[in-house]
Amino acid sequence: DIQMTQSPSILSASVGDRVTITCRASESISRWLAWYQQKPGTAPKLLIYKASSLESGVPSRFSGSGSGTEFTLTISSLQPDDFASYYCQQYNRYSWTFGQGTKVEIK
Amino acid sequence: QVQLQESGPGLVKPSGTLSLTCAVSGGSINTNNWWSWVRQPPGKGLEWIGEIYHSGSANYNPSLKSRVTISVDKSKNQFSLKLSSVTAADTAVYYCARRPDTDVKQVFDYWGQGTLVAVSS
Repeated sequence: DIQMTQSPSILSASVGDRVTITCRASESISRWLAWYQQKPGTAPKLLIYKASSLESGVPSRFSGSGSGTEFTLTISSLQPDDFASYYCQQYNRYSWTFGQGTKVEIK
Repeated sequence: QVQLQESGPGLVKPSGTLSLTCAVSGGSINTNNWWSWVRQPPGKGLEWIGEIYHSGSANYNPSLKSRVTISVDKSKNQFSLKLSSVTAADTAVYYCARRPDTDVKQVFDYWGQGTLVAVSS
């Protein structure tokens, strides 16, 4: 399996901060990477696919970049609704694997 | 708008079989999508279990493959998960999800609300 490693595991930030989460793959996955947001008690929500394509309806303050083995999710100006956990997921090769998650909490 | 809804027992005994069904509404299961199961142990991350196409073709996570069966019932527009020989480590919220079979967006774009299954005697 391709291993996905996110950093940091926990990120403390304030409203208005620029936030960056990193995801590293154990081997090249080209740009076959997605990002999800999950709030407590709810299902994950797709934010970004193919590393940088924004899902319909997702605010433009979310952006993704990267290719190969290193990827980033950036929130340009953190909003109160953005405090949640974030997961990356590779879909280059079976079986689909997720990062361990990054929790964005209020500083 | 596609909606997915999981159903099944919330408690399963150790060594028993976990059985869940995902009902698809707002669209046909007989489309170019893979229908998946993903689970999340309490306080932990996400794990893909497996998926099925309307044709019946299925893919499974190798770590669970020996215990997992996913099936599809096109007449009822639903698909199902069976996980055998369960232990406490299988306690998790189980989600069903849709994954389009497209060139670019082969990711989980629609999810059910999730159902908690506990393994306990």
